[in-house]
Amino acid sequence: EAGVTQSPTHLIKTRGQQATLRCSPISGHTSVYWYQQALGLGLQFLLWYDEGEERNRGNFPPRFSGRQFPNYSSELNVNALELEDSALYLCANSLVPDRGHDYGYTFGSGTRLTVV
Amino acid sequence: AQTVTQSQPEMSVQEAETVTLSCTYDTSESDYYLFWYKQPPSRQMILVIRQEAYKQQNATENRFSVNFQKAAKSFSLKISDSQLGDAAMYFCAYRSTNFGNEKLTFGTGTRL
Repeated sequence: EAGVTQSPTHLIKTRGQQATLRCSPISGHTSVYWYQQALGLGLQFLLWYDEGEERNRGNFPPRFSGRQFPNYSSELNVNALELEDSALYLCANSLVPDRGHDYGYTFGSGTRLTVV
Repeated sequence: AQTVTQSQPEMSVQEAETVTLSCTYDTSESDYYLFWYKQPPSRQMILVIRQEAYKQQNATENRFSVNFQKAAKSFSLKISDSQLGDAAMYFCAYRSTNFGNEKLTFGTGTRL
C-alpha cells in the first residue's frame, strides 16, 4: 500500500507569487493534515481537512488556504509568498482510518518550498 | 492551548549506549496522547512510540521506551543499545482527545 505522497519535492518561487502543494493520502483515509516546518522550528499545524471540509486551522494568515477533493487528495495554496514562508511542508494521515487519530499519524516526505 | 517543550537542542550518544531525550508539556486536559517522532535526513517523519495518558504503564517498543510522569507533565524517551541509524531529529508531540482538536502539537526537536 502506498503511503502519503506529496508533490513536488522541491519548489522555488519568487516573493509575491503563489505556490500550490499537493498531497495524496493513503487509500481510504479521509483526513489530511498540513504542517509547516520552518528551519530550526518544530512542526506548526496549518490545516486539517476531513470529508472534503476544513475542520480546523492553525494560527496562519488567510493567504494560507487549501482544499480537499472528492478522492480525498488535498492542495495547499500559499498566496503572496513571503521570504519567511520558506519551509518544509508536510502532509499527514491518521495511521488508521476512522478512529485512527488515537494511533498517531503517518507523514509524507514533504515539499521543500524556497521563496527568493 | 497546549505547549510542548524540548529543552535539549542536541544530544550525543556512543553506539550501544543509552540516551534519554527530555520532553515536558503543558495542558489542562486530563486525557490526551503523547508521541515521539523521528525525522532522519530523508525528512520522513516516523512514529517511534505512543503513550495514552490514562494508562500508567510506560510504553515500550523494542529499544525505545518512555518515562511518562503525568503529574510532572514529563514524557522522556529512552533509547537503549543506540545504533548509527538512530541518528535523527526527535520530536515530542501532544494530541488532545477533544473532538475537533485532533491536531498534533510538536516540540522544537532534539538532534541526536
